[in-house]
Amino acid sequence: QSVLTQPPSVSAAPGQKVTISCSGSSSNIGNNYVSWYQQLPGTAPKLLIYDNNKRPSGIPDRFSGSKSGTSATLGITGLQTGDEADYYCGTWDSSLSAGHVVFGGGTKLTVL
Amino acid sequence: EVQLVQSGAEVKKPGESLKISCKGSGYSFTSYWIGWVRQMPGKGLEWMGIIYPGDSDTRYSPSFQGQVTISADKSISTAYLQWSSLKASDTAMYYCARQRWYPDYWGQGTLVTVSS
Repeated sequence: QSVLTQPPSVSAAPGQKVTISCSGSSSNIGNNYVSWYQQLPGTAPKLLIYDNNKRPSGIPDRFSGSKSGTSATLGITGLQTGDEADYYCGTWDSSLSAGHVVFGGGTKLTVL
Repeated sequence: EVQLVQSGAEVKKPGESLKISCKGSGYSFTSYWIGWVRQMPGKGLEWMGIIYPGDSDTRYSPSFQGQVTISADKSISTAYLQWSSLKASDTAMYYCARQRWYPDYWGQGTLVTVSS
């Protein structure tokens, strides 16, 4: 059971918009920055969003992030078949004496 | 260009020891933490722990404390993840990642298979 909760799957048609939610608590999302990762089939995760809503160089502005309270959301507009992947949220958790990174369980995006 | 290059796939028997590596390049290796992440077959990402190669300060996730050892050799810009006695349940893909307060650049992964 992951510390952060994501829907197992989402789907939408090409060209449409989709959002993926990530729910946590005050010990993680509520007091720390959220990052998002894309994992294409058979490849390593890739950073999509950091500090809640910042995009690394090379990530298109079709990808966006937001955070409110103890939840965060990844948005993807103009869906393409190449966006089919697993998406993970991550953040720092300070619930124990030694903080650590926690991830959501992942959301599989299907572009119909 | 930041790169993390991991060692190749391993097939081991239960009880055997193993050390896998992650070599960083394209940035100051001693100025960033390096983390390790496990992904079991068909499952999600699990953060295992981090090391700061500059002074070898190491932190572990409670789930992995005592189960693995993370180390680094800053002279060759390489971080390591090791097991003293593998179990079948250690079968997984293992990723290293450069880490700020979040992992940013990731290695390509090392597949570890433990089977009798």
